[in-house]
Amino acid sequence: SAVISQKPSRDICQRGTSLTIQCQVDSQVTMMFWYRQQPGQSLTLIATANQGSEATYESGFVIDKFPISRPNLTFSTLTVSNMSPEDSSIYLCSVEGQGTSYEQYFGPGTRLTVT
Amino acid sequence: GEDVEQSLFLSVREGDSSVINCTYTDSSSTYLYWYKQEPGAGLQLLTYIFSNMDMKQDQRLTVLLNKKDKHLSLRIADTQTGDSAIYFCAETRSYKYIFGTGTRLKVLA
Repeated sequence: SAVISQKPSRDICQRGTSLTIQCQVDSQVTMMFWYRQQPGQSLTLIATANQGSEATYESGFVIDKFPISRPNLTFSTLTVSNMSPEDSSIYLCSVEGQGTSYEQYFGPGTRLTVT
Repeated sequence: GEDVEQSLFLSVREGDSSVINCTYTDSSSTYLYWYKQEPGAGLQLLTYIFSNMDMKQDQRLTVLLNKKDKHLSLRIADTQTGDSAIYFCAETRSYKYIFGTGTRLKVLA
């Protein structure tokens, strides 16, 4: 399994500002994923980030609102831009297991509250 | 429908068995998964089952798969207070994971 860390673990932000969330993995992985979990809800995939290419966004999510970087095989960032209270969620990154693309491992999440 | 559905809540007594149910949507899903989320934490992969299997047992966990009905269940034997969490099933559509609505399991001492 992969060990994944996220920073920050939580933050309280004012509307209109932006927050960048970092995701670090202890091994090289091809695909990294960003999810949003709204309060009391399930997980929704925001985008898939492959190193060396543009992120692929799911329906309802756009690059201007959630720009993603993937500079190398162990790191990615997700920015939540021009935040509103509706962006208050837990944001989780995940990766596929090494050699076992059918397992996906998750970071601890970043709990974001927008006031 | 498009949603992967689970019942919202389950309450059991410590030592009893828990059964968490899931109805998925994509009959072509290759793997189906169970994840556990404890308060304030990310998701922990508990177990998964390959679509050509009917059952998989892993210590206290038993996964049953009924492909005809697109029904997946997770049985936890001898449920402990540490099993209290939200449990998510997930199916795969292409390379993407689609998560269920989550079942909150409460274990009563």
